[in-house]
Amino acid sequence: QVQLVQSGAEVREPGSSVKVSCKASGDTFTNYAITWVRQAPGQGLEWMGGIIPVFGKANYAQKFQGRVTITADKSTSTAYMELSSLRSEDTAVFYCARTGVEKVLGYYLYSYMDVWGKGTTVTVSS
Amino acid sequence: QSVLTQPPSVSAAPGQRVTISCSGSSSNIGSNYVSWYQQLPGTAPKLLIYENNKRPSGIPDRFSGSKSGTSATLGITGLQTGDEADYYCGTWDSSLSAGVFGGGTKLTVL
Repeated sequence: QVQLVQSGAEVREPGSSVKVSCKASGDTFTNYAITWVRQAPGQGLEWMGGIIPVFGKANYAQKFQGRVTITADKSTSTAYMELSSLRSEDTAVFYCARTGVEKVLGYYLYSYMDVWGKGTTVTVSS
Repeated sequence: QSVLTQPPSVSAAPGQRVTISCSGSSSNIGSNYVSWYQQLPGTAPKLLIYENNKRPSGIPDRFSGSKSGTSATLGITGLQTGDEADYYCGTWDSSLSAGVFGGGTKLTVL
């Protein structure tokens, strides 16, 4: 059974950074992408970005460009999401999700998310 | 403001049928597959529908999906109290080169 195991809750001060991990099992790293999704308290899902581990190339939502870095360590099947310059509005649950990949006209796009981690709560507070 | 538009809430009685709409544009729903996710309170989202109308193993056929042009619809028949959840549509936006979600719809089974 494929699982994504995320790191534990974090508390950070405004202006600092946080790095969340997501360890995958099965063939996730060879055949899929990993997407990161943010959910602020009482709010909806927000696509932050993702990475196709086989290629090592990440895509980011414009809103998070410059503040988020998504990486993947193939040797440990672990993906990471680092968010910097934290502010109180970044207080949220962060999910990683195994994501299908489609090749369309020579480029890759992210498809459906079929396996989700349990989420990592990040609290930004002074 | 979400790229995809969903109604904030829908409600129906147990046993009834409900539909949830998801409206987008030619760069997202109009040109890519749509997926739907169910999020029960306090839990991670769960894939309900993928590639517009396919159900993953274990998802009952009470759940269905369809797409027409730049809109998609999730249908749920035989409503149960356990279906009370938030539902999200999602797809890829080819202009943004990013994934996008709807704002979510809260389903209440009266």
